[in-house]
Amino acid sequence: GDSVTQMEGPVTLSEEAFLTINCTYTATGYPSLFWYVQYPGEGLQLLLKATKADDKGSNKGFEATYRKETTSFHLEKGSVQVSDSAVYFCALSEGSGYSTLTFGKGTMLLVSP
Amino acid sequence: NAGVTQTPKFRILKIGQSMTLQCTQDMNHNYMYWYRQDPGMGLKLIYYSVGAGITDKGEVPNGYNVSRSTTEDFPLRLELAAPSQTSVYFCASSLRPGVGYTFGSGTRLTVV
Repeated sequence: GDSVTQMEGPVTLSEEAFLTINCTYTATGYPSLFWYVQYPGEGLQLLLKATKADDKGSNKGFEATYRKETTSFHLEKGSVQVSDSAVYFCALSEGSGYSTLTFGKGTMLLVSP
Repeated sequence: NAGVTQTPKFRILKIGQSMTLQCTQDMNHNYMYWYRQDPGMGLKLIYYSVGAGITDKGEVPNGYNVSRSTTEDFPLRLELAAPSQTSVYFCASSLRPGVGYTFGSGTRLTVV
């Protein structure tokens, strides 16, 4: 079945550092890919998405490129802020029929001043 | 625009007790979902619904039941609570399958 693998956290960075959170996936078809963010005590919020190969999703300075050849969707940000501290989830959906989202285990990001 | 509303936010149950977690959305979304989130394990799908009167099992349905009598409401029922059901439960909805989920703020349940 479908699966998503994320790098384990926590990822600890200083403010203004470059961020990469790795995500790879296994799927039988042509999935849509997503990054969700969860701030402490809150539900998940959609951060960005990409629906086909080579698409780049971007939002709030974060971006991720759908790489079909490496089955990856790594999240990047050029300069993180303390307010970016959260848990980040990579997810996929086959996008056909009644498909639901399959989530990775999440990666905690901690940014210090 | 309230989005997805879950109640209660916190609850402590004793083993063997039952309860219903409430979820309601005001976006007229046909698709609704229940997930549980355990530390370091991501989110696991419990049940989902594609419209009023239609529900289906997800990855971890045992010990739970759902109903969908209206588009707005999708309650999750726990019968005979067990410690293994200690978790944070999230309800979500979407306009189309697998796309653009809107999540509630969660219910933290402890079974003792």
